[in-house]
Amino acid sequence: EAAVTQSPRSKVAVTGGKVTLSCHQTNNHDYMYWYRQDTGHGLRLIHYSYVADSTEKGDIPDGYKASRPSQENFSLILELASLSQTAVYFCASSGGSAETLYFGSGTRLTVL
Amino acid sequence: GDQVEQSPSALSLHEGTGSALRCNFTTTMRAVQWFRKNSRGSLINLFYLASGTKENGRLKSAFDSKERYSTLHIRDAQLEDSGTYFCAAEDFNTGNYKYVFGAGTRLKVIA
Repeated sequence: EAAVTQSPRSKVAVTGGKVTLSCHQTNNHDYMYWYRQDTGHGLRLIHYSYVADSTEKGDIPDGYKASRPSQENFSLILELASLSQTAVYFCASSGGSAETLYFGSGTRLTVL
Repeated sequence: GDQVEQSPSALSLHEGTGSALRCNFTTTMRAVQWFRKNSRGSLINLFYLASGTKENGRLKSAFDSKERYSTLHIRDAQLEDSGTYFCAAEDFNTGNYKYVFGAGTRLKVIA
């Protein structure tokens, strides 16, 4: 069974603070993704990566950085957290085209 | 996103009845996945389709790339089917294996 683990499960951050969300996969997948979900909306792609040490911008990258230090790990970094970044964040992995996406359980981030 | 229009946005079903959810695409998609977000917030894989139909228990999904739509049929709905259902489609043209999500359908099954 594919496994994607996110940490933390939830976090409260202050405006202007730095936040790092972590994701670890044991699927041996090349592709990893970070999405955010806002109430009443679908998931929107922030950053993704198809190989270690390389990341790509998704559809809404502003205000976020990503890091892929290894095939298994993919982090999302908010250098200066803002109120508008309050959301649920999902990490996913896949083997590439024509491959199923496997999601982590999500991280609920609240910025105050 | 704008590439995927999911309907209805919300749906109430009595136990034992059924209905269909639909996603229309504005461009040719390579594949589609359906997910259910459960009460714990986890996204559960339901189906992956590159074409045709698939069935699993009380759920059945179809994907027509040429006609640019996908459907998810639920029959004999049960209380535990409640949740938000998302379709996600892989854009054929991007080449970067990105999925675009619909806005979701909030399903409530009532006794």
